Amino acid sequence: AQSVAQPEDQVNVAEGNPLTVKCTYSVSGNPYLFWYVQYPNRGLQFLLKYITGDNLVKGSYGFEAEFNKSQTSFHLKKPSALVSDSALYFCAVRYNAGNMLTFGGGTRLMVKP
Amino acid sequence: SAVISQKPSRDICQRGTSLTIQCQVDSQVTMMFWYRQQPGQSLTLIATANQGSEATYESGFVIDKFPISRPNLTFSTLTVSNMSPEDSSIYLCSQSGTAYNEQFFGPGTRLTVL
Repeated sequence: AQSVAQPEDQVNVAEGNPLTVKCTYSVSGNPYLFWYVQYPNRGLQFLLKYITGDNLVKGSYGFEAEFNKSQTSFHLKKPSALVSDSALYFCAVRYNAGNMLTFGGGTRLMVKP
Repeated sequence: SAVISQKPSRDICQRGTSLTIQCQVDSQVTMMFWYRQQPGQSLTLIATANQGSEATYESGFVIDKFPISRPNLTFSTLTVSNMSPEDSSIYLCSQSGTAYNEQFFGPGTRLTVL
């Protein structure tokens, strides 16, 4: 069964500092990995995905993520955090040709001014 | 990106009643998905709604409690039946991506059951 874990319930970072939100996945076939963000009282917005190719993928709002096969990780990063980045972030995985997305538990990012 | 709308955006309902949530997508898609997000929790897939066939439910979810309709390729409904306070959640619909494409989500329906 596919699964994805986000080990941190909350990440706190000061504005202007780099941020990392962690995600690890279970090994089963070829994973397709996604990051979504949820602002208060809003639906999920797609940030970025890894399907194949370059391990470093860039997405919306200056976010990027690195696929690391040996560590089965897909951590979300941003060089300089903004207060407006404060939100709930979800990592998700889909395997091979399946259609079902499985979500991690979510990580709340708090960026303090 | 896809445009997905849901109605209602929120509702407060009494125990024992039912609520039907509508989801409209702006392009024809084979599969639509319904998710539940309980307070402070992640998203849990309720069912996959296929046009022209019965919905496929995930473990822990049954058709009698969450009947789904999929009358065409751009529309689906989810009914939350015989509601209890434990059904208070955000319900989100999503359209299928292919294996390589992201799924897009509606804005969600925030349900409170008293």
